[in-house]
Amino acid sequence: EIVLTQSPATLSLSPGERATLSCRASQTVSSYFAWYQQKPGQAPRLLIYDASHRATGIPARFSGSGSGTDFTLTISSLEPEDFAVYYCQHRDNWPITFGQGTRLEIK
Amino acid sequence: EVQLVESGGVVVQPGGSLRLSCAASGFNFDDYTMHWVRQAPGKGLEWVSLISWDGGSAYYTDSVKGRFTISRDNSKSSLYLQMNSLRPEDTAFYYCTKDSRGYSGQYYMDVWGKGTTVTVSS
Repeated sequence: EIVLTQSPATLSLSPGERATLSCRASQTVSSYFAWYQQKPGQAPRLLIYDASHRATGIPARFSGSGSGTDFTLTISSLEPEDFAVYYCQHRDNWPITFGQGTRLEIK
Repeated sequence: EVQLVESGGVVVQPGGSLRLSCAASGFNFDDYTMHWVRQAPGKGLEWVSLISWDGGSAYYTDSVKGRFTISRDNSKSSLYLQMNSLRPEDTAFYYCTKDSRGYSGQYYMDVWGKGTTVTVSS
């Protein structure tokens, strides 16, 4: 099983700042990688797939990068609605696994 | 509007059984791989299982293999999860999700239901 480790566990930033979230895989996952956002009381939402492609309707301030074992989600300028929990996910082999999440909170 | 609505979540005793259902609408259900994902209270996401568009292939996370069975009825646009030999650690919110690409699947989840709660407790 591929283990995904997200860092930091919690990130405290202010609106307008740049956010950088990381996810490291225990083995190479090529570019078969996704990011999700989950707000309290809501289901997750797909943000990024195949490491760097934005899902339908996702604002351009969200971008993904990386390959191999290290992946990054960047939010260029935080909006108030971006404060949430973010999860990474691989689909390279079975089982599909998620990271433990990064909580992005308002500073 | 693309929609997934789960049902069937209840409180069940350890060792018991339960069947979750998911009703899909707003898209061609029989074109897509479907998944179940769960989230224990206050915890992260855990992928549980997927089934191919035609029901011919199914995969499970290790902790549920041999206990859970995923199935689908394309004529009813419905997805199911039969859960047997339930354990307290199966307590979670269960989401029905749609794969992001038809037929071969992409194994990302682009549409999620609101979820249903399963509690395993004596």
